[in-house]
Amino acid sequence: KAGVTQTPRYLIKTRGQQVTLSCSPISGHRSVSWYQQTPGQGLQFLFEYFSETQRNKGNFPGRFSGRQFSNSRSEMNVSTLELGDSALYLCATTKGTSGTYNEQFFGPGTRLTVL
Amino acid sequence: DQQVKQNSPSLSVQEGRISILNCDYTNSMFDYFLWYKKYPAEGPTFLISISSIKDKNEDGRFTVFLNKSAKHLSLHIVPSQPGDSAVYFCAASHPGWGGADGLTFGKGTHLIIQP
Repeated sequence: KAGVTQTPRYLIKTRGQQVTLSCSPISGHRSVSWYQQTPGQGLQFLFEYFSETQRNKGNFPGRFSGRQFSNSRSEMNVSTLELGDSALYLCATTKGTSGTYNEQFFGPGTRLTVL
Repeated sequence: DQQVKQNSPSLSVQEGRISILNCDYTNSMFDYFLWYKKYPAEGPTFLISISSIKDKNEDGRFTVFLNKSAKHLSLHIVPSQPGDSAVYFCAASHPGWGGADGLTFGKGTHLIIQP
């Protein structure tokens, strides 16, 4: 079955702009988590969506937001971009089944460069 | 405050020998631990996991050991192969709705297998 897809794969923006990234989960997966990967901080959890609701959030400023659609596809938005937002943004999806741990499957990521 | 720590940024091992990657955690609420492998320009891929009720889990050449009292886990790869060269991330999860509470990752260890 098809894996997690993320678009675009690469993006270059300038400071102050905003950006929207997209993630399409594996068929049947209803939970989508977003992570930011930077050389200095490693992989950091941004937020997680399930059934169009954000049910967990990491320690990031309000400039980072997301949403999930009824088909489980998710978007994340970063407003007023800063140089430090340059990173690889990864999404990971799971079935989201309650009560058990669900293995997360990662997409290839979107490489965002802020100039 | 980093809750999952991988203190070795890189590790070089000869082909055929054992690779041992270490990970320490501080949050006693973590109850599930995972190892992910990441190649450049790709998202992390799941390798092996262990629940806190076990102290060992084996899958082929990969074995993960968990020492709860020391809050330490390790990944053993035997024998090491050139294709094992990648960045390895340790990750931890604690109980949450649906189990997808967002993973907490270490910063990764770059494993280099030398011929």
